[in-house]
Amino acid sequence: DAKTTQPPSMDCAEGRAANLPCNHSTISGNEYVYWYRQIHSQGPQYIIHGLKNNETNEMASLIITEDRKSSTLILPHATLRDTAVYYCIVRGNNNAGNMLTFGGGTRLMVKP
Amino acid sequence: NAGVMQNPRHLVRRRGQEARLRCSPMKGHSHVYWYRQLPEEGLKFMVYLQKENIIDESGMPKERFSAEFPKEGPSILRIQQVVRGDSAAYFCASSPSGRVPTYEQYFGPGTRLTVT
Repeated sequence: DAKTTQPPSMDCAEGRAANLPCNHSTISGNEYVYWYRQIHSQGPQYIIHGLKNNETNEMASLIITEDRKSSTLILPHATLRDTAVYYCIVRGNNNAGNMLTFGGGTRLMVKP
Repeated sequence: NAGVMQNPRHLVRRRGQEARLRCSPMKGHSHVYWYRQLPEEGLKFMVYLQKENIIDESGMPKERFSAEFPKEGPSILRIQQVVRGDSAAYFCASSPSGRVPTYEQYFGPGTRLTVT
């Protein structure tokens, strides 16, 4: 699975959009981009995933660049409850183990 | 719709005792994954199981750790002769399929194991 690079931490003002970047320059054609988050001491929570088209759901939007080497998770109106560690994970069908490989993630702090 | 259930939520064991951690996947999910999170570290994959089969145990320590997912009942992660280094949060996840894109893994609340 492709390696991902994320900034270790970011701040965001409450009510503003939070834009979390992820680099995955070695991604291959059949690999998806997944985003999870872990709010302090809780189990990780699935947010969204995509292959090459932009995706949106009730939680967030995922923007994937045309060359697929990077992506951005957008929380349109961040709240204090969005404070968490956000993980960008690239995953394909070619790994029989099917595990998720969590890197260091981005620690997002939403401030009042 | 119940999510992934794990019990106990907190477990304290003395060195040398056995720890048994249970995971009930979401209804309709037949794939179970166990992850470990050491203090101040990220989650690390341990094992992937389907009913009655271990599919991938590449992340399991070679000794003292075992996992099962029987035909009936929850998945069990068993740690024999626990040591202080086993103190961690153990998370279970389940998914309806092992293949992308229907691959989202849903995590339980975790079991926090403390070895004294």
